[in-house]
Amino acid sequence: GQNIDQPTEMTATEGAIVQINCTYQTSGFNGLFWYQQHAGEAPTFLSYNVLDGLEEKGRFSSFLSRSKGYSYLLLKELQMKDSASYLCAVSPPYGGATNKLIFGTGTLLAVQP
Amino acid sequence: NAGVTQTPKFRVLKTGQSMTLLCAQDMNHEYMYWYRQDPGMGLRLIHYSVGEGTTAKGEVPDGYNVSRLKKQNFLLGLESAAPSQTSVYFCASIGGVGETQYFGPGTRLLVL
Repeated sequence: GQNIDQPTEMTATEGAIVQINCTYQTSGFNGLFWYQQHAGEAPTFLSYNVLDGLEEKGRFSSFLSRSKGYSYLLLKELQMKDSASYLCAVSPPYGGATNKLIFGTGTLLAVQP
Repeated sequence: NAGVTQTPKFRVLKTGQSMTLLCAQDMNHEYMYWYRQDPGMGLRLIHYSVGEGTTAKGEVPDGYNVSRLKKQNFLLGLESAAPSQTSVYFCASIGGVGETQYFGPGTRLLVL
């Protein structure tokens, strides 16, 4: 089965760096996604990791360690608009290529001035 | 290119009433999904489809039915609404393996 854990809430200061962790336990693995969701809006794609290592995309980076079942999302130079929920989602392997995702409950990040 | 659209955006139902939520995508995606999102529960998969004419149950399918008669549309039906179905419903679609899911704007449903 799948079990995904993320911190419920985090607070950080504008201009700082914050790391949001995600651990997962799954009987198989086919990639990990990070999504951003502002209040009242739909989730939007941030990053995808399928191999170990760091993927950098502007102010956002995502890291994956498959052996440890661990990922983190790193947000640099925080801005007020980064206040949102950050969702970790795992793509488990199925013999039918369903492309389903299993989502964590999300981490609500509050950026303070 | 509108992406993924959902109708209606908001609806209030009385217990026992029925309704259909419509999801439409114009990206020619094969895979489509219906989720519900509740506080503290995250996104949970209700039903999904891997192609026109196919549907399958997700994590929380009870009380819902779906249909995918056309590739671009994925309908979610509630035959007899219950207060426990008060939630925000998101539709998503994906083109292929390893691609991201694109989400619709959501439908807020309140069942009294």
